[in-house]
Amino acid sequence: DTAVSQTPKYLVTQMGNDKSIKCEQNLGHDTMYWYKQDSKKFLKIMFSYNNKELIINETVPNRFSPKSPDKAHLNLHINSLELGDSAVYFCASSQMGLYGYTFGSGTRLTVV
Amino acid sequence: AQSVAQPEDQVNVAEGNPLTVKCTYSVSGNPYLFWYVQYPNRGLQFLLKYITGDNLVKGSYGFEAEFNKSQTSFHLKKPSALVSDSALYFCAVSRRSGDDKIIFGKGTRLHILP
Repeated sequence: DTAVSQTPKYLVTQMGNDKSIKCEQNLGHDTMYWYKQDSKKFLKIMFSYNNKELIINETVPNRFSPKSPDKAHLNLHINSLELGDSAVYFCASSQMGLYGYTFGSGTRLTVV
Repeated sequence: AQSVAQPEDQVNVAEGNPLTVKCTYSVSGNPYLFWYVQYPNRGLQFLLKYITGDNLVKGSYGFEAEFNKSQTSFHLKKPSALVSDSALYFCAVSRRSGDDKIIFGKGTRLHILP
């Protein structure tokens, strides 16, 4: 059983399109996150949800909108995609952040 | 605000030799500290953490790290490197109070030479 699963694994799309990435965790964790890893492998937190409530919202363009229908799911919707959005997006979950995060395998987004 | 520095972009070590990957941190108050490893085209895997207690922390795959409060360091070590240890290693820190946001260093690429 995959603990944190993301779909799709790869996503290639044109500029201006709208796309969504889905994330699900079966660990019973109460907190979920989205991180962006750029081409230099730098990891930056984007959002965090605790029990469906947004608790971290870093400086991210408002074209990015997270949605958490329940504490096991955190989806990321991106409007009007730009070339600079190309990156690997990682979902993660934790139990109160005390024991570190469990990461998904990532979604490689390529905007052309 | 918390931050993490990994001063080396790349570390090369001969197989069988000891390895060290350096990490220093900055955080208000006491930190939680972590090491993660990323293999090519994979997500991050948790290696070890320091929360409290013994300054020497043992983790997965024979890795260990030593918390040094006076030097604000949390270097990753292994007594004898394997070729399969070649990967990208991230040090990370979060605060003990407030939100549990984990801040990652920029990563250090470890090459183990056969």
